[in-house]
Amino acid sequence: NAGVTQTPKFQVLKTGQSMTLQCAQDMNHNSMYWYRQDPGMGLRLIYYSASEGTTDKGEVPNGYNVSRLNKREFSLRLESAAPSQTSVYFCASREGVFDTFGSGTRLTVV
Amino acid sequence: QKEVEQNSGPLSVPEGAIASLNCTYSDRVSQSFFWYRQYSGKSPELIMSIYSNGDKEDGRFTAQLNKASQYVSLLIRDSQPSDSATYLCAVNLNSGGYQKVTFGIGTKLQVIP
Repeated sequence: NAGVTQTPKFQVLKTGQSMTLQCAQDMNHNSMYWYRQDPGMGLRLIYYSASEGTTDKGEVPNGYNVSRLNKREFSLRLESAAPSQTSVYFCASREGVFDTFGSGTRLTVV
Repeated sequence: QKEVEQNSGPLSVPEGAIASLNCTYSDRVSQSFFWYRQYSGKSPELIMSIYSNGDKEDGRFTAQLNKASQYVSLLIRDSQPSDSATYLCAVNLNSGGYQKVTFGIGTKLQVIP
């Protein structure tokens, strides 16, 4: 039982490059989330998808876009990466009010 | 004022002692409260949830909730070195049908052998 799978685990980008973080869950959850975690800031919500076909902005959406491809998959795209987007990114899916997190993507933008 | 506040620590306790982790929240209508454990370099995992005032025990862990004081705590009895991790407090609020969950910054716990 894989739970929530994120790829890649590590990535280094140059300023201005683009990339997509992939997330898939096999728990048949309706809701999926993208967070970023920075020292001293905790987990902050970037975007979420309450159900297939819907997406909404969270606390820190600027510089990001998302796609809920189907019930299983929720991707996060950085169109033009900036050093301020250096962070650890977690995807999560939610049953009720409990989040199950993926293993994270450590992104460095130089 | 932050919605969920935690002392970042580190909190150091000797092995076998009780570790007490604290969290306060700002929104009085918050409904559900959670503790997640996050080992270094890993993702958060849910360890406790509590919904009503009082204590909830699960093994060596006890969650305590005081809604009047807007205060949640996690007690870890007989602390073990394997308990060394960052503990995130999370608070849920039903906001217009959306289950908004806000996380604190986490308290780093170090259990000294």
